[in-house]
Amino acid sequence: KNEVEQSPQNLTAQEGEFITINCSYSVGISALHWLQQHPGGGIVSLFMLSSGKKKHGRLIATINIQEKHSSLHITASHPRDSAVYICAVERVSNYQLIWGAGTKLIIKP
Amino acid sequence: DAEITQSPRHKITETGRQVTLACHQTWNHNNMFWYRQDLGHGLRLIHYSYGVHDTNKGEVSDGYSVSRSNTEDLPLTLESAASSQTSVYFCASSEGGDGQPQHFGDGTRLSIL
Repeated sequence: KNEVEQSPQNLTAQEGEFITINCSYSVGISALHWLQQHPGGGIVSLFMLSSGKKKHGRLIATINIQEKHSSLHITASHPRDSAVYICAVERVSNYQLIWGAGTKLIIKP
Repeated sequence: DAEITQSPRHKITETGRQVTLACHQTWNHNNMFWYRQDLGHGLRLIHYSYGVHDTNKGEVSDGYSVSRSNTEDLPLTLESAASSQTSVYFCASSEGGDGQPQHFGDGTRLSIL
């Protein structure tokens, strides 16, 4: 079993829909990262969480440390949100990231 | 603005050749990482460094080496390229300490024929 599991693997939605991507992990962590990879390949860090909730524009990330679960939400989705969203957890005290397989999101106009 | 750059962006080479991929960051970060990304595997850690003259093996380090002679650069060398090393390679850097975001280069697409 992978240490970081994302769901769904693929998600297609219509413009304007509320999107949720989930991440579960099985190891002790110091932080959880959400990253975005666009079709061109570049990887951008969206959020880094160790507790609670963070919001940036239309993106919201939450984490429940007790349940070892995080969600990434996108409100009022737009075709430019189409990308692969990757969850990665940072092992306690060694800075290394354990990567989920990613969720490919397509938003149709 | 600080940045992290990889070169080349694309490379095609033959099996058995030595290949070096460059990674240069101007963030003055202590931590630097090399990943490879393949379909069905996500990103996998090849080597990483926590500072000058420090290097460590990741989960898929066989056939690769790195050296860290200064803060800015962590070149990745394939000693004798194999077709199984055809992949997209990403370099990243972060500040020291827990919970710091990693900043990524744009990637190098390497094809080994």
